[in-house]
This record gives sequence, structure tokens and C-alpha cells, in this order.
Amino acid sequence: DGGITQSPKYLFRKEGQNVTLSCEQNLNHDAMYWYRQDPGQGLRLIYYSQIVNDFQKGDIAEGYSVSREKKESFPLTVTSAQKNPTAFYLCASSTRLGTAVRSPLHFGNGTRLTVT
Amino acid sequence: ELKVEQNPLFLSMQEGKNYTIYCNYSTTSDRLYWYRQDPGKSLESLFVLLSNGAVKQEGRLMASLDTKARLSTLHITAAVHDLSATYFCAVDDNNNDMRFGAGTRLTVKP
Repeated sequence: DGGITQSPKYLFRKEGQNVTLSCEQNLNHDAMYWYRQDPGQGLRLIYYSQIVNDFQKGDIAEGYSVSREKKESFPLTVTSAQKNPTAFYLCASSTRLGTAVRSPLHFGNGTRLTVT
Repeated sequence: ELKVEQNPLFLSMQEGKNYTIYCNYSTTSDRLYWYRQDPGKSLESLFVLLSNGAVKQEGRLMASLDTKARLSTLHITAAVHDLSATYFCAVDDNNNDMRFGAGTRLTVKP
């Protein structure tokens, strides 16, 4: 079955440590995204990538970094510079339905990060 | 900058009743998406609306899009408990981003 796998499901870290969240997809989608969700709120875009070796900042990129060395993989690193890293992180991917229309986002099951 | 507003943010309904969730957005777009999120879970796609006047229906949910008014609605007919979830609309901003509303947390009570 095709899908997006995020790991780990839960992650606990001490303040000041960098942590990397994994996201792998086997849907053959070109575009991948990282969103952050805080309790009771919507999703905010951290980074996205339309193609291998290229990525763009979203609204809240500060304190985060990404890489896109393979089409299937888009890991997110939460650095110690991120002031409030505790949140639910969602990875998603999409493709194009036509020349310009994006497919709905396919989401992974998320990683819940707690930093103390 | 594209802004997406949903209302209401919280909705408590009795089973069997009808209600509508509204999604307004601030700039031109003709691509709107509705998602559902169960507590502690990820989001799943419900509807994709790609043109003015588009209407999609699945079970007790019906979504529509009015691009002139920059408004989409998600109508719930004869609500049942299984529909309890948070519903998000999202708008494709034509710049490789999909902006989400804050979500409507729906609770259907017996």
C-alpha cells in the first residue's frame, strides 16, 4: 500500500538538543511538505519541496531545517533555535492532477514532539 | 497574503440536525479542499473543489464552492455521532502553498 510514513510517533527531547523527524513516501509524489499543528489550531507550513534538492521556506521556518536528497524522503530537523518546539508535526505529499492543479495532500500520521 | 477563515470554530449539534460550516478566503483561488481530523490523528481528504459552483457530496456531507464570493460551505445533513471530528478547509494559493483554516471542531451529541 502506498502512503507516507512518519517516525517516530512520539519524541521526547531536552531543551537545547537538535532532533530530526523522519518522513518517507512511496506515492511517487513530487511535492512534500512539513506542517506544525499546535493544540486547537490549524496547520502552519514550515517548509515545502517541489523537487529533489530544492525546498522553500514556509511561514514558520525559523529554527527548522530540511533536506530533500531523495524523492521519497523529506526529513525535518528541529534545532535548538526553535523557541517553542513542542507540537504535533505533520508531513504531507502531493502531485499534480493536471498542469496546474494540485492533488489533495496525503498526510502521514504525525510525530508528537515534546521538549522539556 | 492569502487568509482562510472558518466559522464556527466550535460546533455542538444534536444527532439528526443539519448545520453548515463556512470557509471564507481572501484572494482569488479556484481550488479548495476539505479535510477531516479525528482527535490525535492525521488529516484525511474529504473533498476537492476545483471550479466555481462545484458541489461534491459524500454521505451526510456536502461541500460547495463559490469563487466569486470566495466562500465554501460544508453542509451536514442529519448529523450522526461518527461525524464528530475537526474539519479543515484549505485553499491553494497558486504559489505552491496550501493555506489552512483554523478548523471547526464538531461534536455530535445523541
